[in-house]
Amino acid sequence: DAEITQSPRHKITETGRQVTLACHQTWNHNNMFWYRQDLGHGLRLIHYSYGVQDTNKGEVSDGYSVSRSNTEDLPLTLESAASSQTSVYFCASSVVGGNEQFFGPGTRLTVL
Amino acid sequence: AQKVTQAQTEISVVEKEDVTLDCVYETRDTTYYLFWYKQPPSGELVFLIRRNSFDEQNEISGRYSWNFQKSTSSFNFTITASQVVDSAVYFCALSEPFKAAGNKLTFGGGTRVLVKP
Repeated sequence: DAEITQSPRHKITETGRQVTLACHQTWNHNNMFWYRQDLGHGLRLIHYSYGVQDTNKGEVSDGYSVSRSNTEDLPLTLESAASSQTSVYFCASSVVGGNEQFFGPGTRLTVL
Repeated sequence: AQKVTQAQTEISVVEKEDVTLDCVYETRDTTYYLFWYKQPPSGELVFLIRRNSFDEQNEISGRYSWNFQKSTSSFNFTITASQVVDSAVYFCALSEPFKAAGNKLTFGGGTRVLVKP
């Protein structure tokens, strides 16, 4: 069955370290998204991609970067982790247009 | 800029009671989609419904129903005869206008529903 996976599911790191969160989908969806979920804020868009080699900044992109070298993967990199980036991160994908997004199981990141 | 407001942060009901979740959105666009997602205690996000801005018909799916009123920019969600399994956080979301490529979503802050036995 097609799916979207995230790894690791839990990560503890230290301030200043570089961290990469993986997202892999097997639906062959063109569109992929990264969100962070914080209490009281719902989900906020970090970065998104509408196809290979396409990346765009979302609402809260500072301190994060993504790259899209193939259809299946959109890794999210925290260049220099900060305590404010402690959060739950969700990856999502969708086909083109206004269709629903399918979400991965999430990654809980703690920055000490 | 788009905005979604879910004014109710938490609702507590007793099993079999009905519960209505409010969602108010702001957009300058005339074409868009609205969504509801459920996040149970296990943490995953589950898609519930999508409506486009041209379709104001109410929709019912089992114990779930949705009331979309463009005139008041609201897309409310009602759970009839609630059950303990309905306990979750529910998110309302608004898409950007129809585009050939993609569909960014703006989420509300979520409403936590607690159904007590």
